Amino acid sequence: DAGVIQSPRHEVTEMGQEVTLRCKPISGHDYLFWYRQTMMRGLELLIYFNNNVPIDDSGMPEDRFSAKMPNASFSTLKIQPSEPRDSAVYFCASSPGYNSPLHFGNGTRLTVT
Amino acid sequence: LAKTTQPISMDSYEGQEVNITCSHNNIATNDYITWYQQFPSQGPRFIIQGYKTKVTNEVASLFIPADRKSSTLSLPRVSLSDTAVYYCLPPGDTGRRALTFGSGTRLQVQP
Repeated sequence: DAGVIQSPRHEVTEMGQEVTLRCKPISGHDYLFWYRQTMMRGLELLIYFNNNVPIDDSGMPEDRFSAKMPNASFSTLKIQPSEPRDSAVYFCASSPGYNSPLHFGNGTRLTVT
Repeated sequence: LAKTTQPISMDSYEGQEVNITCSHNNIATNDYITWYQQFPSQGPRFIIQGYKTKVTNEVASLFIPADRKSSTLSLPRVSLSDTAVYYCLPPGDTGRRALTFGSGTRLQVQP
């Protein structure tokens, strides 16, 4: 099992550019989560999906952020346009069931200049 | 949303037992209480979870009192490699999955 795979590992972009982060969950896991981690705010849940359907997107900061899960093996988090305050480490996680532990990827470190 | 209280940091020496307690204000559901460990430049990693009393695995023990308003993660005989940030994930709100991490406890193990 390869675990949760995120790409890219690092992304540096200029303010105003579009950024797309990608995630491949563990096969067979029905839940997928996007988190953001910063020193100031810690780990924040942005959105999560169950069976490819968004369940709770109340953590998505604003309309510049969007997330999709077109199939069970792929999800994207898009920021358009990006701003310096979006700089953070973005984690994707998956789990096989409602009460099952989360399996995290190694994250994408985003820097917006 | 459930809110957690953990010590910000703890120091220990190799070979000692470390206990980290997390208090939270939500016990309304049948969700588990779960603990994660995070090393720099990595995502959090599951350590242990439980619903009540005591749970033990090869890595740690978890103690949960009857009122479930807190939990204590116990790491026996820590080593330098246990230096990390430890997060508890309390039960969620009724009908709402537990997904809100607290600020975590930074454990520093010294030789």
